[in-house]
Amino acid sequence: ETGVTQSPTHLIKTRGQQVTLRCSSQSGHNTVSWYQQALGQGPQFIFQYYREEENGRGNFPPRFSGLQFPNYSSELNVNALELDDSALYLCASSLDLWNTEAFFGQGTRLTVV
Amino acid sequence: KNEVEQSPQNLTAQEGEFITINCSYSVGISALHWLQQHPGGGIVSLFMLSSGKKKHGRLIATINIQEKHSSLHITASHPRDSAVYICAVLYGNKLVFGAGTILRVKS
Repeated sequence: ETGVTQSPTHLIKTRGQQVTLRCSSQSGHNTVSWYQQALGQGPQFIFQYYREEENGRGNFPPRFSGLQFPNYSSELNVNALELDDSALYLCASSLDLWNTEAFFGQGTRLTVV
Repeated sequence: KNEVEQSPQNLTAQEGEFITINCSYSVGISALHWLQQHPGGGIVSLFMLSSGKKKHGRLIATINIQEKHSSLHITASHPRDSAVYICAVLYGNKLVFGAGTILRVKS
């Protein structure tokens, strides 16, 4: 068990709505990365947060935004949901920016109808 | 073209067989991860490699930095090994994932 927890585990939203997904990183980890995994595909990098600042972003539109809090937990916000946003959203934490070992949460399964 | 290519995409084996899953990548990396994903989505990190070989139980992972290639081997496979195995490489600050290999081990 990694200690990275995500909530909620499952979520159904309607197109156009907004959603917030949460991730509690493993104790002592200050770096959190978010990934989107569409059905049957490998995860895709959304963005990374290090010490409350965004530290890199993948090819996702601005309606995907995030936050990292002083306790290093993190949120992923998606506005104006589209059907294609239906996916598993994974959070991974690392001890720090230069530590290559990543610990993954169980993911949040988002369905947009 | 994906930066990380895995093969095979699907693999069915009989219990007890030796299994190899391959991963090739196109640019220099700082580390490579082998991950296991069960139905429902949770990902477990099996290995993190930057050189050489690692072994954990029936699992062995190797990496050849010059050839930009890694393999994951499962000895004496068991039905509980059935899962998706994903190779992910660390480029800068982000992990880039392969599409995964779906492994099914039959008893």
